Order: sequence, then structure tokens, then C-alpha cells
Amino acid sequence: NAGVTQTPKFQVLKTGQSMTLQCAQDMNHEYMSWYRQDPGMGLRLIHYSVGAGITDQGEVPNGYNVSRSTTEDFPLRLLSAAPSQTSVYFCASSYYKGAGYEQYFGPGTRLTVT
Amino acid sequence: GENVEQHPSTLSVQEGDSAVIKCTYSDSASNYFPWYKQELGKGPQLIIDIRSNVGEKKDQRIAVTLNKTAKHFSLHITETQPEDSAVYFCAATRREAAGNKLTFGGGTRVLVKP
Repeated sequence: NAGVTQTPKFQVLKTGQSMTLQCAQDMNHEYMSWYRQDPGMGLRLIHYSVGAGITDQGEVPNGYNVSRSTTEDFPLRLLSAAPSQTSVYFCASSYYKGAGYEQYFGPGTRLTVT
Repeated sequence: GENVEQHPSTLSVQEGDSAVIKCTYSDSASNYFPWYKQELGKGPQLIIDIRSNVGEKKDQRIAVTLNKTAKHFSLHITETQPEDSAVYFCAATRREAAGNKLTFGGGTRVLVKP
């Protein structure tokens, strides 16, 4: 059981370039999310998905697209990278445990946009 | 929407002493409050959580208390050890919220000095 995996681990982009951050989980969780982490701001939700074919916007969705064609995969696309998107990106999957949804986070992708 | 504030932003304690981190939330409908620990270079990991119908929950050296009237909750770590050094995040959400849309506090960097 690999849990939540993310690739790449590090990425440097030039302003205006596009790229896709990959996320996969092997726990058969329905829910998946993308967060960005910036110093002093905790984690902020970008997009989330409640199941294959269903996605919705979080707190900071501008400049990002997602799709969920399978239960396992939830890629995050940067359409035209900007320096403000320099951040660490975390993917998470979750299931309902009783008290609430227990989230499992991937190891993160550190993105720098120059 | 929900707003979560977390204090202090940094906390330095002597090994064996206790550490306390406090969070306040704004949405009175929030009813699930997880705490995450993030070690350097890794994704956050759930360490304890509490539901709104419970005032306190303990798990070995960590405990969480919730005051729903005042809308604040706290993490207590007793007998701190060097391996407790990490960044800790509180979060709040409604259990019924689709996809578990967590709102995170800004994080507390805890350093345990041997």
C-alpha cells in the first residue's frame, strides 16, 4: 500500500509555462483534494473531488484546473505559471471515519516559478 | 466561510516540559477539529481529532480540548521529546461537508530542546 504518491518532487518553471502535477492513491478513497502551502498561511484548498467525474473549487482555484477520470488519479494542471504560484503543493485523499473525514497527505511537490 | 487562527507561530520548550497550542474558529457550524503534525520534507499527518460533542480527548502524551461556546480548541503535548519537534496545524470543518473541506490554521513550529 503506497498511500498517496505525488510526482514530481521538485519542479522549476518559467513564467507562462504549463505543467501537470500528478497525484495517485491506492486506498480506494472517494475524496481527493489539492492544497498549497505557503509560509505562515497553513494549507489552502485549491480544488477537491468527491468521486470520479466530480470536482469543485476550493478557496484558491484561480490558475489551476483539475479532472478526476478515475478513483485513483487526481492531476492538478497549471495553465500558465506565475511567480505567485511558487509554493509547496500537497495532494490528499480521505474517507469518512465516523468522527470526520480522515485525510492522508502525499509527500508534496515543491514548485518554483521564475 | 470558516476562519481558523492559531497561536503561537513558534514554540520552544525544554525536553520533558509541556507544550500548548491554541486555535480559534469562526463558524459555529464547524463540528470536527483535527490536528496534523508535519515533519520536515513530509506531508501533514493526522495525530488526533475531536468532534464537537466531546470536550476532551487523550491519546498517550497528546490531548485536545474543545470549548464550543468560546469557539476555541487546544492541543496539549506532555513530557515533550525531541521527536515532537515539527510543525503542527489545527483545522476545522463541518463533518457533513462534501469532500471534507478543511480550513487550516497558520501552523505552529515546535522546537523541543534536549
